[in-house]
Amino acid sequence: DAGITQSPRYKITETGRQVTLMCHQTWSHSYMFWYRQDLGHGLRLIYYSAAADITDKGEVPDGYVVSRSKTENFPLTLESATRSQTSVYFCASRRSPESAKGEQFFGPGTRLTVL
Amino acid sequence: AQSVTQPDIHITVSEGASLELRCNYSYGATPYLFWYVQSPGQGLQLLLKYFSGDTLVQGIKGFEAEFKRSQSSFNLRKPSVHWSDAAEYFCAVGPGDYKLSFGAGTTVTVRA
Repeated sequence: DAGITQSPRYKITETGRQVTLMCHQTWSHSYMFWYRQDLGHGLRLIYYSAAADITDKGEVPDGYVVSRSKTENFPLTLESATRSQTSVYFCASRRSPESAKGEQFFGPGTRLTVL
Repeated sequence: AQSVTQPDIHITVSEGASLELRCNYSYGATPYLFWYVQSPGQGLQLLLKYFSGDTLVQGIKGFEAEFKRSQSSFNLRKPSVHWSDAAEYFCAVGPGDYKLSFGAGTTVTVRA
């Protein structure tokens, strides 16, 4: 089925380890986004990408790395995980036309716990 | 800097009653405004959006929102709630949509 998927759905890791969260969409949407959701903060943008090989920082990029070699994939890497990165991570995508502004399609989320 | 405030952390409403969720924004120019809904364990879904034109915007699931520039508000309303409307609701503002700022969210509980 078409859509946006995230893997893994749940991850427990230890401080200092590298972790990669995967995001895959089948719509060929140009834009993709990574958010983290924390209680009392809503969603905060980590990184976004307007197209393959084009990425830019969001509100809270420190400690994260992204890449986008293919349109459909947008992995998020925590190079050295810290406890403060315990959160629920959401990937999203949207089409490029102006008429599609605002309608981001969200994945189901990845719950990451850093011990 | 852009920001969103949702003053109500939690609202409880009876099934069939009306619902209003408040959203106040801070933005230097004409804002793009959005309401998203998140059901438990799910990602977010767009309810409605405002870019320009008519200040009363209709969305999915019977929701509407009114943009009031003088009050910097974009409140969400539904005349009669259903048990399936129990969820968390997020207001967002941005210059387009690639750098949205979300509010902290309002959790809606629907009692029978």
